[in-house]
Amino acid sequence: QLQLQESGPGLVKPSETLSLTCTVSGGSISSSSYYWGWIRQPPGKGLEWIGSIYYSGSTYYNPSLKSRVTISVDTSKNQFSLKLSSVTAADTAVYYCARQERNYYDSSGPYFDYWGQGTLVTVSS
Amino acid sequence: QSALTQPASVSGSPGQSITISCTGTSSDVGGYNYVSWYQQHPGKAPKLMIYEVSNRPSGVSNRFSGSKSGNTASLTISGLQAEDEADYYCSSYTSSSFVVFGGGTKLTVL
Repeated sequence: QLQLQESGPGLVKPSETLSLTCTVSGGSISSSSYYWGWIRQPPGKGLEWIGSIYYSGSTYYNPSLKSRVTISVDTSKNQFSLKLSSVTAADTAVYYCARQERNYYDSSGPYFDYWGQGTLVTVSS
Repeated sequence: QSALTQPASVSGSPGQSITISCTGTSSDVGGYNYVSWYQQHPGKAPKLMIYEVSNRPSGVSNRFSGSKSGNTASLTISGLQAEDEADYYCSSYTSSSFVVFGGGTKLTVL
């Protein structure tokens, strides 16, 4: 059974960089059938897609966050990571990592089928 | 990229059917059969309920069904049960930004 687990600091100071890692177990991150994504949810609000990465390193980012986001992959550790720079209180959220199906024919990412449990990151001094 | 439009809340009595709409544009919902729906209970991670407009993952009750007409997708839950009370989110592939979510709908079972 595939499992994803987010890890990283639960508290980040304003203007600093938020860093999270997602460890994948029960399956290979190097599969050509999937992307690996980050989604966040501010307290009491809806889901926001942050970005996704393919095992080769190709990335897709939410245009509204693109200037501050970097997603990377480490296939040797079966992990992928998120960095969000210059954070403010508005970046306080539960951050989820998830597996995203990759369509073979058009390289789209139709849906997220496995999710981590999520980790709350609070931005505060 | 604007979020897909969902009603903030819907409600229904046990045994009834409800439908949640998800409206986008021809660049997302209307342009691709890549709409998915997620159920989220409080404090839990989202769970995939419907993918590619109308397909159910293994283990999801057949009381959940999805459809699409033009730029609007819909999730229908029939035979409403107390355990269905949750937040529901739609999502679509989009040509401009890859993925977009709806704002979410709170389902209350009366």
